[in-house]
Amino acid sequence: QSVLTQPPSVSAAPGQKVTISCSGSRYNIGNDFVSWYQQLPGTAPKLLISENNKRPSGIPDRFSGSKSGTSATLGIAGLQPGDEADYYCGTWDVSLSAGVFGGGTKLTVL
Amino acid sequence: EAQLVESGGGLVQPGGSLRLSCAASRFMFSSHWMSWVRQAPEKGLEWVANINEDGSVSYYVDSVKGRFTISRDNAKNSLFLQMNSLRAEDTAVYYCARGSLGRIPSDYWGQGTLVSVSS
Repeated sequence: QSVLTQPPSVSAAPGQKVTISCSGSRYNIGNDFVSWYQQLPGTAPKLLISENNKRPSGIPDRFSGSKSGTSATLGIAGLQPGDEADYYCGTWDVSLSAGVFGGGTKLTVL
Repeated sequence: EAQLVESGGGLVQPGGSLRLSCAASRFMFSSHWMSWVRQAPEKGLEWVANINEDGSVSYYVDSVKGRFTISRDNAKNSLFLQMNSLRAEDTAVYYCARGSLGRIPSDYWGQGTLVSVSS
């Protein structure tokens, strides 16, 4: 049972937009920045979004992030087959004094 | 671009020990928090531990406290994870990452090293 809650799976057609939610508490999302990671099959995770909504260099603007209260959202617009991957949210939990990830969301591009 | 290369994984019996290493290059290693994150087979990511720039502060997930120790050698640009009293549930791919979570995200990751705990 992950501290952060994500939907197990989402799907959408190519070209469409999808959002992935990440729900936490005042001890984690409500208290610190959220980052998002993409893990393509058989590869290491890759940073997609930092500080709730900042895209590292090289990340397309199709990827966006937002945070409100104790929840965060990853948006992916103009879906492409290459976006099929597992997506994870992560942040710091002050009550645990530990990092925490969501359980991950598998994106299927139909 | 930063590069991280893990090593030291392998098959170990329950109760045994293993020391993972992570060789860092192409960035100022001594200026960054570092972390270990693991992923059990067919499971999600689990944050394991982190350590600050000079090695004076570290944090651990509850399930490894007292068994795992994170450390670093800034002179050798290396990060370590000493794992003792290993259990079957520690079986996972272990990733070294630059940064942590929260205000300092993990912005670069190694390719991972597999640790299998089995008799």
